[in-house]
Amino acid sequence: DQQVKQNSPSLSVQEGRISILNCDYTNSMFDYFLWYKKYPAEGPTFLISISSIKDKNEDGRFTVFLNKSAKHLSLHIVPSQPGDSAVYFCAAEGAQKLVFGQGTRLTINP
Amino acid sequence: GAVVSQHPSRVICKSGTSVKIECRSLDFQATTMFWYRQFPKQSLMLMATSNEGSKATYEQGVEKDKFLINHASLTLSTLTVTSAHPEDSSFYICSARDDPNQPQHFGDGTRLSIL
Repeated sequence: DQQVKQNSPSLSVQEGRISILNCDYTNSMFDYFLWYKKYPAEGPTFLISISSIKDKNEDGRFTVFLNKSAKHLSLHIVPSQPGDSAVYFCAAEGAQKLVFGQGTRLTINP
Repeated sequence: GAVVSQHPSRVICKSGTSVKIECRSLDFQATTMFWYRQFPKQSLMLMATSNEGSKATYEQGVEKDKFLINHASLTLSTLTVTSAHPEDSSFYICSARDDPNQPQHFGDGTRLSIL
């Protein structure tokens, strides 16, 4: 039972454009949502998070949107840069435990 | 800040060997450490949660006698895969945090291959 799903295994975006990464979840008890970025041979690095009581959180080029009624969150990166090329994991937290999605490989083309 | 170091990064060993993986928080005190496993093309799956000085809490389906976790200090947790077999081959990764309201910080993972 996959509680957190990232349905797009990969995404390719032109440099300077907006990258939108999507994530769906099934458990309404999750109270915190996070995005991690992972480069090859490195561990995931925390990027941005959002509490379940909010619907938007912004940090520089990164914005996370949460739609609780649809059990959906998204990460917007604008403008996209070549250094943003990585695997992005969506994670949901409940009872102090993280549940991860399968990841989306983002490639930014120059 | 918030650096987590994990060693070794790669282990290749024979079936029946026990393997120890270390996870250290370098610049903060990790009251809680987590161990995850990732199979190819799958997501990170939580194996266990450990709090300093107490026994680890294992997720359903994870054998505690197979995967021994020790969290003896606020900066070190170890995972020992006992009598490892080929099916234990996987990517193991730890994380740590000092505050429940803060995100987990991850090590770089250990690729374990059992021949």
